[in-house]
Amino acid sequence: GAGVSQSPRYKVAKRGQDVALRCDPISGHVSLFWYQQALGQGPEFLTYFQNEAQLDKSGLPSDRFFAERPEGSVSTLKIQRTQQEDSAVYLCASSRGKGSGGNQPQHFGDGTRLSIL
Amino acid sequence: AQTVTQSQPEMSVQEAETVTLSCTYDTSESDYYLFWYKQPPSRQMILVIRQEAYKQQNATENRFSVNFQKAAKSFSLKISDSQLGDAAMYFCAYRRYTGTASKLTFGTGTRLQVTL
Repeated sequence: GAGVSQSPRYKVAKRGQDVALRCDPISGHVSLFWYQQALGQGPEFLTYFQNEAQLDKSGLPSDRFFAERPEGSVSTLKIQRTQQEDSAVYLCASSRGKGSGGNQPQHFGDGTRLSIL
Repeated sequence: AQTVTQSQPEMSVQEAETVTLSCTYDTSESDYYLFWYKQPPSRQMILVIRQEAYKQQNATENRFSVNFQKAAKSFSLKISDSQLGDAAMYFCAYRRYTGTASKLTFGTGTRLQVTL
């Protein structure tokens, strides 16, 4: 596609439910990043994939958060047993090259706004 | 660890005027990238301008320019001839020059209002 696509755009869940957020990066992009943006804050790094390999998951806040990219294209961020503090916008970004290519910009999707009741 | 600080939560500028958004950062590395991103209500982060730390010349993109002071670890964004469409959240961000995961480290943002 022309840009990074994320779905759903909005997600409301009850505390304790599991949710899955989808990211469809720009075709051919090797690198994929997930960020969490709390209300009134800047995005914070969650995890990074190079193709299907998850090379950095140091930003995942707890073991309730799990991300995958099994075929090196679409990625899913799963949150188990959701808590109210998980309410945030989840942004996905992709870039053409490998992570060391700082010269290559990250292209962001519109994000998924997750609200936990 | 790198940190990025934006000390202006909100700024306001009149249409056609010039405004400067401030950003400071902390790093022990000598090579890195700095970015300004714009985030309108649609939530998509849009790259405004990029600066490589090894370049002394300040980056410029049309009405947008930066004042990069490496020794002071300062990276401000100047918007000239402000337009209504410039109203948005602006985030300063840092990225390592090398490394497996070139994640972005963002500041807390500055909300820019543009008035008639």
